[in-house]
Amino acid sequence: DVKVTQSSRYLVKRTGEKVFLECVQDMDHENMFWYRQDPGLGLRLIYFSYDVKMKEKGDIPEGYSVSREKKERFSLILESASTNQTSMYLCASRRGGPQETQYFGPGTRLLVL
Amino acid sequence: GNSVTQMEGPVTLSEEAFLTINCTYTATGYPSLFWYVQYPGEGLQLLLKATKADDKGSNKGFEATYRKETTSFHLEKGSVQVSDSAVYFCALTTVTGANSKLTFGKGITLSVRP
Repeated sequence: DVKVTQSSRYLVKRTGEKVFLECVQDMDHENMFWYRQDPGLGLRLIYFSYDVKMKEKGDIPEGYSVSREKKERFSLILESASTNQTSMYLCASRRGGPQETQYFGPGTRLLVL
Repeated sequence: GNSVTQMEGPVTLSEEAFLTINCTYTATGYPSLFWYVQYPGEGLQLLLKATKADDKGSNKGFEATYRKETTSFHLEKGSVQVSDSAVYFCALTTVTGANSKLTFGKGITLSVRP
């Protein structure tokens, strides 16, 4: 089975802190994604990566950056956390083209105080 | 651009009731359509998909038919169970390259009472 793991299920940070969210997949997928999930807004794409060291902005990249140094790992970075970044963050990976299945991690619920 | 519209929720049903969750879309080109499900405390997982017009996707008793003429992909199940309680997301992608992305609807919460 494909497994996508996220470093934390719950995280509490203070405004202004630098926050790292880590995602690892074990199936050698080329494509990896970071979403945030908010009530009434569904899933919104923050960034995605289709290869090592490659990244593309999604729909809401402001306030976030990403890093993909190894194929299996995709990190989301909040440079200076703000309260409006309190959310559920979901990582996903996919092999091949857009018709293929995306596999999601369990999510990290981030609270910024 | 691409967009997905799902019916407003939440939806509460009794066990063994018939389920319909509406999904309509706007897309350039010829999209592939998906339903993803999120069980409590978990990430999303693919429920079913259809990649061309008139295709029917099915899984776990759920079905959805890709209707190009009405730009719809409604999810149906004949008899729901308590274990179907989850959040359901409709999504689409248009094949413009290997790095194409999914566009999701807002999701709808289904609660099934015993």
